[in-house]
Amino acid sequence: GAVVSQHPSWVICKSGTSVKIECRSLDFQATTMFWYRQFPKQSLMLMATSNEGSKATYEQGVEKDKFLINHASLTLSTLTVTSAHPEDSSFYICSARAVRLKETQYFGPGTRLLVL
Amino acid sequence: GENVEQHPSTLSVQEGDSAVIKCTYSDSASNYFPWYKQELGKRPQLIIDIRSNVGEKKDQRIAVTLNKTAKHFSLHITETQPEDSAVYFCAASISQAGTALIFGKGTTLSVSS
Repeated sequence: GAVVSQHPSWVICKSGTSVKIECRSLDFQATTMFWYRQFPKQSLMLMATSNEGSKATYEQGVEKDKFLINHASLTLSTLTVTSAHPEDSSFYICSARAVRLKETQYFGPGTRLLVL
Repeated sequence: GENVEQHPSTLSVQEGDSAVIKCTYSDSASNYFPWYKQELGKRPQLIIDIRSNVGEKKDQRIAVTLNKTAKHFSLHITETQPEDSAVYFCAASISQAGTALIFGKGTTLSVSS
């Protein structure tokens, strides 16, 4: 149990385009989802926290108008990178937690984004 | 907010030796401390966690200790094997709905045979 999927697993796009990444909890209802970004050989940096049905809370330094997060249901959150630029190229990972699972966060497999 | 420091950044051991990774945290309200193992290009995998009401927890070759007073916790891997080679991250959070994990910078463990 407690499986989180992400789609797509990798994406290449042109500079200036937008990319949407989906994060789904497959066998549990995720009251909260988190989005992280990981640059090569670095740690996971929290971008935002998303609770179902409410606006996401962004970490300092993360542009909310550039990284649009939607958590419309208890099993789906989406991250849209708008007007992507090469510096947005990174590994984006979501995680999900449910109250019944206590504090444990379950991570998706990640999405590798390359902006040309 | 919470800040998690992790040391060392790299650790090389011989197969069969023990490995210890240490982390400190800043927020005394944090009470949940998981450790993740991440292989290249893959998702972090939870290997062990500890809550603040426990001082030590063990699972086969892996153990974690927590010192709440000093605000530090450590990962101990005994009898290391080449397949233990990976990046290990410690993290901290407050055990309540909606609190994110804050990660340390990671330790690259290399186990040579």
